[in-house]
Amino acid sequence: GENVEQHPSTLSVQEGDSAVIKCTYSDSASNYFPWYKQELGKGPQLIIDIRSNVGEKKDQRIAVTLNKTAKHFSLHITETQPEDSAVYFCAASLSPAQKLVFGQGTRLTINP
Amino acid sequence: NAGVTQTPKFRVLKTGQSMTLLCAQDMNHEYMYWYRQDPGMGLRLIHYSVGEGTTAKGEVPDGYNVSRLKKQNFLLGLESAAPSQTSVYFCASRVQETQYFGPGTRLLVL
Repeated sequence: GENVEQHPSTLSVQEGDSAVIKCTYSDSASNYFPWYKQELGKGPQLIIDIRSNVGEKKDQRIAVTLNKTAKHFSLHITETQPEDSAVYFCAASLSPAQKLVFGQGTRLTINP
Repeated sequence: NAGVTQTPKFRVLKTGQSMTLLCAQDMNHEYMYWYRQDPGMGLRLIHYSVGEGTTAKGEVPDGYNVSRLKKQNFLLGLESAAPSQTSVYFCASRVQETQYFGPGTRLLVL
């Protein structure tokens, strides 16, 4: 079955700098890759996703890139703000309708 | 529109006790899921349901049972709790590709 590895497990950046979180997946048939943000005491919330027919997707300060050949995808947050501090999870599935397999999570801390 | 709600928010059990976690959604979603979240392990799928009256096993189903008697409710049961089931449990419902998560239930088994 699918296996998703996420790095780093913790990340600390200065406010205004960029943050990058990386994930690799094992099943080359996977073609849907969402990213979720989990704030303290809350459930995860979808922030951006990408399908395998697209190499990059942007939404304001957030972007996701996908390298199908290398089987890895990354989350990029630019101009980080204190409210970006949270745990971020990547996931992969065979299609948007299929079950998600999550990475281990990255705790992002934005230092003022 | 409350989205996905979970009860209780927190529970302490003794080994061998049983309990039921309730998930409710008011978005008329067909798909519902139960996950557990443990430090350093992300979210792992326990059971899921593709519609009223149907359930299926996920990645870590042992020790849990589920029921989906009504479309809006998805129940997770622990028949005989074990310390290894200490975790935070999240329910989610899905429409198209987006899963909407509840706020979680923190369970401690002593």
